Amino acid sequence: AQKITQTQPGMFVQEKEAVTLDCTYDTSDPSYGLFWYKQPSSGEMIFLIYQGSYDQQNATEGRYSLNFQKARKSANLVISASQLGDSAMYFCAMRGPTGNQFYFGTGTSLTVIP
Amino acid sequence: DAGVIQSPRHEVTEMGQEVTLRCKPISGHDYLFWYRQTMMRGLELLIYFNNNVPIDDSGMPEDRFSAKMPNASFSTLKIQPSEPRDSAVYFCASQGIYNSPLHFGNGTRLTVT
Repeated sequence: AQKITQTQPGMFVQEKEAVTLDCTYDTSDPSYGLFWYKQPSSGEMIFLIYQGSYDQQNATEGRYSLNFQKARKSANLVISASQLGDSAMYFCAMRGPTGNQFYFGTGTSLTVIP
Repeated sequence: DAGVIQSPRHEVTEMGQEVTLRCKPISGHDYLFWYRQTMMRGLELLIYFNNNVPIDDSGMPEDRFSAKMPNASFSTLKIQPSEPRDSAVYFCASQGIYNSPLHFGNGTRLTVT
């Protein structure tokens, strides 16, 4: 069963604008973790941001923030003030629901336009 | 911190040959994961270890695949015999504590001709 869904295969954003990348998840476990990773064309996987299911506030890391809506089971990544270097694939991942497996979505390809 | 180290970076082999991929996790990390990434299937979890013990190998595609972790600083993923459909990027990742982020290596790009 699909646990993580990213419905946007590709997104474009103007440089310096904000962009939201969507992610929904499916779990019945009350304890889980949500993660976002960036994969540039060079191929490495870079951790961006984490949200725990019990966290009361949305996570933020610099220009990255996570719009966590627990009731809707969504964990959207918001990138503010986009830069050309933000062009990459972005993956949403969930830890769980059982064990320590990490399940990844299919990714969203973001292109920042100058 | 040297990060997760994978070798080789690229591997090209002929169908039927044995392939061994290697991984050195970050020192002190208790969890180690092997993933495979393809365009068609995305990132698939193959197996993960906790304290050198395999915990979940349900993602290993078939008996041709095997993974070992003889000690805390080394793991291998072996494919024998290899087939063209095994062509993919194989990532190793380690994790310090439960629910912390995974730290990925740079991957091994495997091509089986």
